[in-house]
Amino acid sequence: GQNIDQPTEMTATEGAIVQINCTYQTSGFNGLFWYQQHAGEAPTFLSYNVLDGLEEKGRFSSFLSRSKGYSYLLLKELQMKDSASYLCAVRGSGAGSYQLTFGKGTKLSVIP
Amino acid sequence: DAGVTQSPTHLIKTRGQHVTLRCSPISGHKSVSWYQQVLGQGPQFIFQYYEKEERGRGNFPDRFSARQFPNYSSELNVNALLLGDSALYLCASSLTAFDDYTFGSGTRLTVV
Repeated sequence: GQNIDQPTEMTATEGAIVQINCTYQTSGFNGLFWYQQHAGEAPTFLSYNVLDGLEEKGRFSSFLSRSKGYSYLLLKELQMKDSASYLCAVRGSGAGSYQLTFGKGTKLSVIP
Repeated sequence: DAGVTQSPTHLIKTRGQHVTLRCSPISGHKSVSWYQQVLGQGPQFIFQYYEKEERGRGNFPDRFSARQFPNYSSELNVNALLLGDSALYLCASSLTAFDDYTFGSGTRLTVV
């Protein structure tokens, strides 16, 4: 089975840096995804990690350690529009490779 | 270029009724996946179809069924609706079965 944990809520200040952690325990692993979801809207793709290390994309970076079952999403220079839920998702292997298993999401509030 | 299109956007049904949700993927994408998202939770995998064949099925009862048509659009059917089926139903389109998703805006189903 798959188990994905991430904090329920976080608050950060505009202009600051925030790190959202995700830990996973899965029977197989074929990559980890981060999605952003604004209230009432569909999730949008942010990043994908399949190998250990850091992937940087503008203000957003994502890190993966497969041996520790751990990932984080780093958001720099926070803007008010970054207030959203951030979803961590893992793709399994074998029969599980056709699906993503999502965590419950971390609701980030950016305050002035 | 049109994104993933889902219809209807909102729907209210009575317990015991049947519902059909529709999804048109991005042009050129051959895979459609369906997810259920209950308020405050991450999306939960229901089905994936690729090249008109079911490639994956999540832990949902047989009341849930789906199909993919020759033009790669898809339908999700739910029979004998329960109150607990109330959720946002998301369709995700991808080029192949293993690429990152583009989600549609979802269908908000309310069962009363």
